[in-house]
Amino acid sequence: DTGVSQNPRHKITKRGQNVTFRCDPISEHNRLYWYRQTLGQGPEFLTYFQNEAQLEKSRLLSDRFSAERPKGSFSTLEIQRTEQGDSAMYLCASSRPGTGWELFFGEGSRLTVL
Amino acid sequence: DAKTTQPTSMDCAEGRAANLPCNHSTISGNEYVYWYRQIHSQGPQYIIHGLKNNETNEMASLIITEDRKSSTLILPHATLRDTAVYYCIVRSYSGGYQKVTFGIGTKLQVIP
Repeated sequence: DTGVSQNPRHKITKRGQNVTFRCDPISEHNRLYWYRQTLGQGPEFLTYFQNEAQLEKSRLLSDRFSAERPKGSFSTLEIQRTEQGDSAMYLCASSRPGTGWELFFGEGSRLTVL
Repeated sequence: DAKTTQPTSMDCAEGRAANLPCNHSTISGNEYVYWYRQIHSQGPQYIIHGLKNNETNEMASLIITEDRKSSTLILPHATLRDTAVYYCIVRSYSGGYQKVTFGIGTKLQVIP
């Protein structure tokens, strides 16, 4: 069990640029989640995959955000035309089937938009 | 999903039990109580969850009142490594995820 891996851990970009984050879940976990966390706040749900199917998307996920999990393994979260308000920690989590909402989180990817 | 209310911060002496309360007065019959914690600069960590019976695992105990309107997470012998933000979340087992919020949580400071 190597844990949930996220890359890059830190990303600094200029406003208007595109960024992509990658999440590698625990290998036998078929469920994958993305959350966003800003300073002083708890994580906010963004989207959820079961295998390769994206089953839920939050209204926080504007049309500039897109997430994929093409083969039901790793996932990417892309933010196009970044804005300063996108600066946050982006957290990925995974879980096994039949375990309810017992999520294993990665250490997150911190985005700073200048 | 029901909303929860937690104290913003708490202190606990090292070696003593830390009792973290959570109010969830609007909880419905099919909603579980989940606890996570987040140590500084790390992702959240699952601790425990329960429906109506008290639960215990290697990390903590969860005490849910009979009317299920509140619960307490108990760390029996707090250590400095337990300093973290603790989140109490209520959600239904089959519910969607859009309404699930971690809230602000309780910042627990374990004092030497």
